[in-house]
Amino acid sequence: EAGVVQSPRYKIIEKKQPVAFWCNPISGHNTLYWYLQNLGQGPELLIRYENEEAVDDSQLPKDRFSAERLKGVDSTLKIQPAELGDSAVYLCASSVTGRRNTEAFFGQGTRLTVV
Amino acid sequence: AQSVTQLGSHVSVSEGALVLLRCNYSSSVPPYLFWYVQYPNQGLQLLLKYTSAATLVKGINGFEAEFKKSETSFHLTKPSAHMSDAAECLCAVCLGAGSYQLTFGKGTKLSVIP
Repeated sequence: EAGVVQSPRYKIIEKKQPVAFWCNPISGHNTLYWYLQNLGQGPELLIRYENEEAVDDSQLPKDRFSAERLKGVDSTLKIQPAELGDSAVYLCASSVTGRRNTEAFFGQGTRLTVV
Repeated sequence: AQSVTQLGSHVSVSEGALVLLRCNYSSSVPPYLFWYVQYPNQGLQLLLKYTSAATLVKGINGFEAEFKKSETSFHLTKPSAHMSDAAECLCAVCLGAGSYQLTFGKGTKLSVIP
């Protein structure tokens, strides 16, 4: 079974440009997460979806970040415009909604460099 | 609210030596606790988890961790380090069943010296 797939793996853009990351969760996983991992830090939750609904986006900087999960499967995270401080690894994860002891499965991440 | 503190951003051990990575947590309710490992160029992989059952939890690759409520700790151990254990190890907490928000520590880079 395929794991969580993210693309691209690496992205280099100039500041003020837009960028988008894509995530395909594990089949059957209703819950999808986007995490931000800065260098030397642990991942921090940006947004959590249950199916197509964003149930927790309190940590998402809404002035420049947006996300969508149309049809409750794939998800896209967008930054517009990107700033130097956005350089980080963006992780997507998925899990099964409602199961006790549920485990979140992570993708390999997208490493963004803003120059 | 919950938080995780990992003591030591970098731990080096000799091959065959004991591995001990420290994790302390803060949680207002009985927590679920996790250790994830991140190998180079790979995604986060679950090593083990504590979900209110046995306090000594065994995971993959010979790792284990013990939940100690009195010490608010969940330290990760392995009796004998192998070169392939070198990785970034992350401790995380969530607020138990029904909670989906993982709060991670800053991570500990484990190096194994031949």
